[in-house]
Amino acid sequence: GGIITQTPKFLIGQEGQKLTLKCQQNFNHDTMYWYRQDSGKGLRLIYYSITENDLQKGDLSEGYDASREKKSSFSLTVTSAQKNEMAVFLCASSMRGNQDTQYFGPGTRLLVL
Amino acid sequence: QQKVQQSPESLIVPEGGMASLNCTFSDRNSQYFWWYRQHSGEGPKALMSIFSNGDKKEGRFTAHLNKASLHVSLHIKDSQPSDSALYFCAASNYNVLYFGSGTKLTVEP
Repeated sequence: GGIITQTPKFLIGQEGQKLTLKCQQNFNHDTMYWYRQDSGKGLRLIYYSITENDLQKGDLSEGYDASREKKSSFSLTVTSAQKNEMAVFLCASSMRGNQDTQYFGPGTRLLVL
Repeated sequence: QQKVQQSPESLIVPEGGMASLNCTFSDRNSQYFWWYRQHSGEGPKALMSIFSNGDKKEGRFTAHLNKASLHVSLHIKDSQPSDSALYFCAASNYNVLYFGSGTKLTVEP
């Protein structure tokens, strides 16, 4: 088994601020993902990475940057936080891709004042 | 672009009852499908996957896939209060998983 750790659990930011979220996995999985979940809604893909130093944009990449410097970690940056924004950011990993189950972390809850 | 739609948005079933959740997808090239469950305050957890047409049973959970009609469903037999959660179906295209907007299931004791 393995675990995905996301830090911080809660993040409160100010409008216009640059905010960074971190994710670590010990599954030794190749592929990692960042999703955004708005209250009670489905998940939308922001970025994914199939290997160290690889980055692929999802449908929601505008306003975000990502970085995969090590196989085990994947970070996401909100480049300019939007006022009153509230969402949960979920990190996931899978062995490789298409037919492999994705395992999710507990999420980082973002609130922008 | 893949569109995944789930119905109903919410569902209430009595304890011991059967819950049936539905999902349609738009891309006929989709090959792999999952059902995920998310309890409040947690990340989603994979319940089961289905890759071939027909039924797949795991304990109280049965998934059904019909690629020709672009439809996948999940049936939960003998529903328990602990099954109360948000359920997502997801379809995979080229390393990307597309999620539906979810069905909120409430099992009343």
